[in-house]
Amino acid sequence: FTLTQPHSVSESPGMTVTISCTRSSGSIASNYVQWYQQRPGGSLITVIFEDDQRPPGVPDRFSGSIDSASNSASLIISGLKTEDDADYFCQSSDNFLWVFGGGTKLTVL
Amino acid sequence: VQLVESGGGLVQPGGSLRLSCSTSGFMFSSYGMAWVRQAPGKGLEWVSTISGSGSSKYYADSVKGRFTTSRDLSKNTLFLQMNTLRAEDTAQYYCARVVHMIKGNFDFWGQGTQVTVSS
Repeated sequence: FTLTQPHSVSESPGMTVTISCTRSSGSIASNYVQWYQQRPGGSLITVIFEDDQRPPGVPDRFSGSIDSASNSASLIISGLKTEDDADYFCQSSDNFLWVFGGGTKLTVL
Repeated sequence: VQLVESGGGLVQPGGSLRLSCSTSGFMFSSYGMAWVRQAPGKGLEWVSTISGSGSSKYYADSVKGRFTTSRDLSKNTLFLQMNTLRAEDTAQYYCARVVHMIKGNFDFWGQGTQVTVSS
């Protein structure tokens, strides 16, 4: 299966943005979805795991959800800050094969 | 938790390279570990995962038969042996800790090491 994300999204500070991740085959609910943030410079952190769980230290402005009707997962970032300007990747796995989405460039301007 | 990759560099097509990921701050044998790469200007691509004991290993089709992942439990270190390298293997290589092999989620990542395959 593949995971498809929009190439880029942009929004103003203080607003809310939603980044989608659509699974091509099989149910999105069958396997957990994670979201990773990659800031300029390359460092990677986990912002959402197991569909909607937030690791310690990640602001509660970050949330995740899945929608079986559209077979997609979403990363929602509210109260946008300039520091959220980064690339975001969704990821899931099935039968010991790990798959990443192509990544979404979030621009906060 | 700290993950520190090393061993990257410039290598000719057809050559070999061995990457290392030195870990600290957690019980190494209790976690699966993975390699993920990122070609210049591209997204993340999963390369390989190894179970905590090292008994189970999984590879992306793009590297199967050429790359081998292993781990030294006494040194808390993960390795990626890369053979028959191709230009398309040029990428930043990251190691990541696998929280749960079935759930398939990574939690901590290293800073990466650059591999360039070019003549």
